[in-house]
Amino acid sequence: GENVEQHPSTLSVQEGDSAVIKCTYSDSASNYFPWYKQELGKGPQLIIDIRSNVGEKKDQRIAVTLNKTAKHFSLHITETQPEDSAVYFCAASEIGGGNEKLTFGTGTRLTIIP
Amino acid sequence: NAGVTQTPKFQVLKTGQSMTLQCAQDMNHEYMSWYRQDPGMGLRLIHYSVGAGITDQGEVPNGYNVSRSTTEDFPLRLLSAAPSQTSVYFCASSWGLNPRGGYTQYFGPGTRLTVL
Repeated sequence: GENVEQHPSTLSVQEGDSAVIKCTYSDSASNYFPWYKQELGKGPQLIIDIRSNVGEKKDQRIAVTLNKTAKHFSLHITETQPEDSAVYFCAASEIGGGNEKLTFGTGTRLTIIP
Repeated sequence: NAGVTQTPKFQVLKTGQSMTLQCAQDMNHEYMSWYRQDPGMGLRLIHYSVGAGITDQGEVPNGYNVSRSTTEDFPLRLLSAAPSQTSVYFCASSWGLNPRGGYTQYFGPGTRLTVL
């Protein structure tokens, strides 16, 4: 089955700086890579996702890059703000293969220092 | 829309007791799933369903049962609770394989379960 590794487990950055979280996956059949943000006491919420037919996707201050050859993808947050403090999870799945199970990474606790 | 709702929010059980965690969604989603979240281990899939009457096992199914009699509801049953089942449980739903809805999974607020 799929295995997703996520690094780092904790990350502290100064407000206004950039944050980068990296994930690797093992199953070359995976073609869908979402990122979820979990605030304290709440369920995870999708913030951005990418399909394997593109290498990069941006949404305002958030971007995700994908390297299919190396089987890794990354989340980039620019101009960080205090409300970016949360736990972030990457995930991988094979869409269209009759199996939509998401395999999650272990999470990164991001702290923005004012 | 209420989205995905879960009850109860908190629960304390004694070893050997049984209980059902409730999950409901009002988005007419075909795909529903249950995850458990433990420190340092992320979210692990327990069971999932691709439609009413269809369920399948995830990564950590032992000790849990599910059923899907309606599109809206997907309860998770603990038949004989064990301390190892102490965790936060999340229910999620999505359009599944329906491309018009995308593949976003919508999570409920979670149930924090402690087994003594």
